Amino acid sequence: NAGVTQTPKFRILKIGQSMTLQCTQDMNHNYMYWYRQDPGMGLKLIYYSVGAGITDKGEVPNGYNVSRSTTEDFPLRLELAAPSQTSVYFCASSRTERGNQPQHFGDGTRLSIL
Amino acid sequence: KQEVTQIPAALSVPEGENLVLNCSFTDSAIYNLQWFRQDPGKGLTSLLLIQSSQREQTSGRLNASLDKSSGRSTLYIAASQPGDSATYLCAVYSGNDYKLSFGAGTTVTVRA
Repeated sequence: NAGVTQTPKFRILKIGQSMTLQCTQDMNHNYMYWYRQDPGMGLKLIYYSVGAGITDKGEVPNGYNVSRSTTEDFPLRLELAAPSQTSVYFCASSRTERGNQPQHFGDGTRLSIL
Repeated sequence: KQEVTQIPAALSVPEGENLVLNCSFTDSAIYNLQWFRQDPGKGLTSLLLIQSSQREQTSGRLNASLDKSSGRSTLYIAASQPGDSATYLCAVYSGNDYKLSFGAGTTVTVRA
């Protein structure tokens, strides 16, 4: 089982550029999440989705957009990259709500904005 | 707002010593608490999940306890090995917004 797959693994962007971080899972999980992890900090939730066609904001959504057209895919879009968005981005999925089942994480996308 | 704290930020022990990692949280109204392991350049791997009604969970050399009333959890790793070197994060699930609140983690180094 591949689990949660994120692409790309690394990316350098210039200020003002846009890009989409890809996330796909093959576990048929309804719940998917995007987090960012800054050095020395815990993960912060950017957006989450409880099923295809349903998304909602997390703790730090500004500067990001998401869509969920299928159960498997949950891409995260940066429209106008800013240095403050330099971070490691993790996608995760889970079977049930309220964390009764553990979240499964991808290996992350390391993004630098210069 | 739930705040999760992990102290110390880093820990170095000789091989064979037992590890004790601490996690504290400010709001005791939680659904569950999870411990994760993160290897350098990798994502998070779930180690143990403790439901709010439980006092502890065990898996192999790992044991996690939960004291909701005092807002604390402890992860014990028995007879540490160099392969246990990693960052360990705890996260609590509270409220109805599907959000895990993470601590910043404790980075463990086990010296051979």
